[in-house]
Amino acid sequence: GDSVTQMEGPVTLSEEAFLTINCTYTATGYPSLFWYVQYPGEGLQLLLKATKADDKGSNKGFEATYRKETTSFHLEKGSVQVSDSAVYFCALRNTGTASKLTFGTGTRLQVTL
Amino acid sequence: DVKVTQSSRYLVKRTGEKVFLECVQDMDHENMFWYRQDPGLGLRLIYFSYDVKMKEKGDIPEGYSVSREKKERFSLILESASTNQTSMYLCASSSVDREIQPQHFGDGTRLSIL
Repeated sequence: GDSVTQMEGPVTLSEEAFLTINCTYTATGYPSLFWYVQYPGEGLQLLLKATKADDKGSNKGFEATYRKETTSFHLEKGSVQVSDSAVYFCALRNTGTASKLTFGTGTRLQVTL
Repeated sequence: DVKVTQSSRYLVKRTGEKVFLECVQDMDHENMFWYRQDPGLGLRLIYFSYDVKMKEKGDIPEGYSVSREKKERFSLILESASTNQTSMYLCASSSVDREIQPQHFGDGTRLSIL
């Protein structure tokens, strides 16, 4: 079945550092890929998405590129802020699955001054 | 903006009780979902519904049931609550469109079973 693997956290960075959170997936067919973010005490919010190979999703300075050859969708940001501290979830939606999402286990990011 | 509202942020119940978690969305979405979130396990799908009165089991449906009598409301029911159902429960909704539509989440209900 479909699965998503994320790097384990927590990831602790200083403000303005470069961020990479790794995400790889296993799926048949041609899934769409998502990054969601969960701020403390809140539900998940969509951060960015990519629907086909080589697409790049971007939002709020975050980027991720859909790499079919390496089955990856790594999240990057050039300069993190304290306000980026949150839990980040990688997810996939496969074709013909009635909008069901398969999530990774989440990666907690802590940004310090 | 899409709003998904879960009826309680925190809930404490006793073992054996029947527990209802309510979720309402205001965007006329066809699909609605219930997940539970546990540390180290991420989000796991319990049940989902793609239309009124329609439901399908997710990955971990045991011990749960759902009800969708109206399009905007999706209820999760713990028939006889047990301590291993202590968790954060998240509701989500999405539309059915030709373009891939994201799921929109509520703020979650943190449920403790004593």
